[in-house]
Amino acid sequence: DQQVKQNSPSLSVQEGRISILNCDYTNSMFDYFLWYKKYPAEGPTFLISISSIKDKNEDGRFTVFLNKSAKHLSLHIVPSQPGDSAVYFCAAIGTASKLTFGTGTRLQVTL
Amino acid sequence: SQTIHQWPATLVQPVGSPLSLECTVEGTSNPNLYWYRQAAGRGLQLLFYSVGIGQISSEVPQNLSASRPQDRQFILSSKKLLLSDSGFYLCAWSSGTGVYEQYFGPGTRLTVT
Repeated sequence: DQQVKQNSPSLSVQEGRISILNCDYTNSMFDYFLWYKKYPAEGPTFLISISSIKDKNEDGRFTVFLNKSAKHLSLHIVPSQPGDSAVYFCAAIGTASKLTFGTGTRLQVTL
Repeated sequence: SQTIHQWPATLVQPVGSPLSLECTVEGTSNPNLYWYRQAAGRGLQLLFYSVGIGQISSEVPQNLSASRPQDRQFILSSKKLLLSDSGFYLCAWSSGTGVYEQYFGPGTRLTVT
């Protein structure tokens, strides 16, 4: 049972434009959400997080939006840069500080 | 600052051989420690987590085991590897004090032949 879903396995965006990565979850007990970026053969790097008591968190070019009623979150990257090309994972935490990851979305930023 | 190390970076092992992967964390005390596996084309699956020395919780029944002999050392082991154990193994830590972010090591690519 996939409790965190990233339905788009890949996304291609032109440099300078906005990248929007989506994530849906099914477990209403999740109360904290994170986004990670991963390059091949490396460990994931933490990007940004959001608590369920908020609906938006911004850090530089990265903004995460949370819609609790829809059980949906998204990561916006503006403007997109070639170095942003990577696999992005969303993750959620419920009990015992255990992360549940989505399957990832591969973002390619083209010139 | 905190640093997390994993070794080896890559490993090729025959079926039936033993496994030992090591993870150490520097710059923090009493971290929560985690082992994840990323199989080809899939997300990250939590295998084990530990909130203290000798305290191991297993998430998925499998051919693997974990141990935490010291506060900042986490070991992933197997007595006999299976082909299905191939994957990218990641160790992570978190502060365990109400901060949820986990920080990952560089990973070990394991190929079982």
